[in-house]
Amino acid sequence: KAGVTQTPRYLIKTRGQQVTLSCSPISGHRSVSWYQQTPGQGLQFLFEYFSETQRNKGNFPGRFSGRQFSNSRSEMNVSTLELGDSALYLCASSLATSGHWGTDTQYFGPGTRLTVL
Amino acid sequence: KNEVEQSPQNLTAQEGEFITINCSYSVGISALHWLQQHPGGGIVSLFMLSSGKKKHGRLIATINIQEKHSSLHITASHPRDSAVYICAVRLRGNTGTASKLTFGTGTRLQVTL
Repeated sequence: KAGVTQTPRYLIKTRGQQVTLSCSPISGHRSVSWYQQTPGQGLQFLFEYFSETQRNKGNFPGRFSGRQFSNSRSEMNVSTLELGDSALYLCASSLATSGHWGTDTQYFGPGTRLTVL
Repeated sequence: KNEVEQSPQNLTAQEGEFITINCSYSVGISALHWLQQHPGGGIVSLFMLSSGKKKHGRLIATINIQEKHSSLHITASHPRDSAVYICAVRLRGNTGTASKLTFGTGTRLQVTL
C-alpha cells in the first residue's frame, strides 16, 4: 500500500497570502489529522477529521481551516499568512475503526515545509 | 507545566549502550504513542500503548498507568538509531469521541561509533 502523501513538499509564500496544503491518506484509512511543527513550539495538533467531519480542533486561530472529502483526502488552508506560520505541516492517517477511536496507530506523511517571507 | 514531559532532552551514547528515554504525563489518557523522527522530518510511529509492555526488535516500550509514566528502551544502540524520539498522549475522551494528541518536546539521541 502506498503511504500517506502530502503535496506540495516545499512552499514559499509571502505575508498576507493564503496557502492550501493537501494530504492523501493510506487507502482504507478514514481519519486524517494535521499537525504543525516548529523549532520553538514543537509538534502541535491542528485538526482531526473522520468521515468528512471535524472531530477535534487545536488551539489555532481561525485563519487555519481544513476539510475532508468523501474519499478521505484532506486539505488545510491558512489565510493571511504570518511569518510565524513558517513550519513543517504534517498529516497523519489512521484506520479509526469503530470502537477503537483514539487507540490506533497514526501513519505520518513526509510533511510540507512552508516558509513565509 | 506541560501535560507531557520527556527526559532527557538530549542524549549521547556510544554504540552498543542501553538507552532509556522517559515520558511522564499529568492527565488521564486512552493511549500513549512513541514516535521517531529522523533529520529531514519524516515521523514513524514506533509503539502505541495503553497498558503493559511492547517489544519490537531492539526497542521496548513500557507504560505504568498508575504512575502516569512510560519508558522507551533501546538495547544494543546503533548509529542508525540517532533521531528525535517523541512521546505523545491521547487524552481520555468520552466513548465514541476523539481527543487530540498532545506531544512531548522530544529527546534528541545521538549514537556514536
